Amino acid sequence: QKEVEQNSGPLSVPEGAIASLNCTYSDRGSQSFFWYRQYSGKSPELIMFIYSNGDKEDGRFTAQLNKASQYVSLLIRDSQPSDSATYLCAVPSGNTPLVFGKGTRLSVIA
Amino acid sequence: GAVVSQHPSWVICKSGTSVKIECRSLDFQATTMFWYRQFPKQSLMLMATSNEGSKATYEQGVEKDKFLINHASLTLSTLTVTSAHPEDSSFYICSAWEGRGYTFGSGTRLTVV
Repeated sequence: QKEVEQNSGPLSVPEGAIASLNCTYSDRGSQSFFWYRQYSGKSPELIMFIYSNGDKEDGRFTAQLNKASQYVSLLIRDSQPSDSATYLCAVPSGNTPLVFGKGTRLSVIA
Repeated sequence: GAVVSQHPSWVICKSGTSVKIECRSLDFQATTMFWYRQFPKQSLMLMATSNEGSKATYEQGVEKDKFLINHASLTLSTLTVTSAHPEDSSFYICSAWEGRGYTFGSGTRLTVV
């Protein structure tokens, strides 16, 4: 059973701080990794994807991948109250298009 | 960006009735559509994969006679929940690959009373 693990949170950070979200995966053969944001009652929206080891930056978001440790993270700089949501880590695995973690609930306190 | 339009957004139905959910890819062709279900405070779980012009592939534990999937064209896939029961109440979401990533429909909140 391929698994994607995330701390469910909630993770609370003050406005303007850096939020760090972590994810581990079990399928060592996974090649691509996705971060989605899901607001309550809404469907997920893609924030970033990463394929290569190291960091990938997009605006206030940075994805970090370490395939040796089977670990992928998402950093949100200058966190805003509007960033409060559940962040889902997702990994394609075998024939399954995306295996999702349970998500980490982020709360940015103004 | 690529959009998958999903309807209805929410539906309330009586136990024993059937409900159809539609997903349309608006500006790209979706050869394959993925159907997920999400219970409260749970993650998205893949239910089935539909391919245009062929039978859907269902995940283990998903009743194919209860969740009928049709993918008649490259832009339309439907999920019909037949003889719905309260335990089928959930958030149903479709998804397709649009070249950069998987894009999701807006979801359908199904409540069976």
